[in-house]
Amino acid sequence: DAGVIQSPRHEVTEMGQEVTLRCKPISGHNSLFWYRQTMMRGLELLIYFNNNVPIDDSGMPEDRFSAKMPNASFSTLKIQPSEPRDSAVYFCASRRGQGYNEQFFGPGTRLTVL
Amino acid sequence: DQQVKQNSPSLSVQEGRISILNCDYTNSMFDYFLWYKKYPAEGPTFLISISSIKDKNEDGRFTVFLNKSAKHLSLHIVPSQPGDSAVYFCAASGAGGTSYGKLTFGQGTILTVHP
Repeated sequence: DAGVIQSPRHEVTEMGQEVTLRCKPISGHNSLFWYRQTMMRGLELLIYFNNNVPIDDSGMPEDRFSAKMPNASFSTLKIQPSEPRDSAVYFCASRRGQGYNEQFFGPGTRLTVL
Repeated sequence: DQQVKQNSPSLSVQEGRISILNCDYTNSMFDYFLWYKKYPAEGPTFLISISSIKDKNEDGRFTVFLNKSAKHLSLHIVPSQPGDSAVYFCAASGAGGTSYGKLTFGQGTILTVHP
């Protein structure tokens, strides 16, 4: 079975540009999570969805960040405009449902904003 | 406010010996704990977990111990193998409201197992 799929794996962009990260959760999973990993802050939760509905976006750093989940098999995390301090590895994870704790992570997208 | 702490940034162990990775937490609402392993350029991989109603969970070479009164958990790997070399993250989950199912991660411990 395919795991969580993320694209692109690497993204290099210039400050001020729009960046869109994509995620396909494991089929049948109905919870989806976006994380960011940096040296300073470690692995931190940005937002999560249950059944395509955003439940908690308190980790989203500012209005430049937005996330959508238009259907059960696709989610995007958008940064507009991007800034150098957004450089990090962004992970998407999915979970079978609310009765489960284990989350399964994708390979991540390494974002570099110049 | 770091609610989950892994105070040892790194650990070096000889192959065949025991590796013990430690994790402390401060939030008494956490009721489920997980360990993840991460290799470079890959996402974290779920390893083992434990519910707060237990004090021990074992899976092959991996055992997690939970001491609720001390708010401390540990991961034991016996025997350690070079392929276990990775970053290990402790994570905690709390029940109730929007916190349900959210994972709070520690900073990670780099384990190196020498042949």
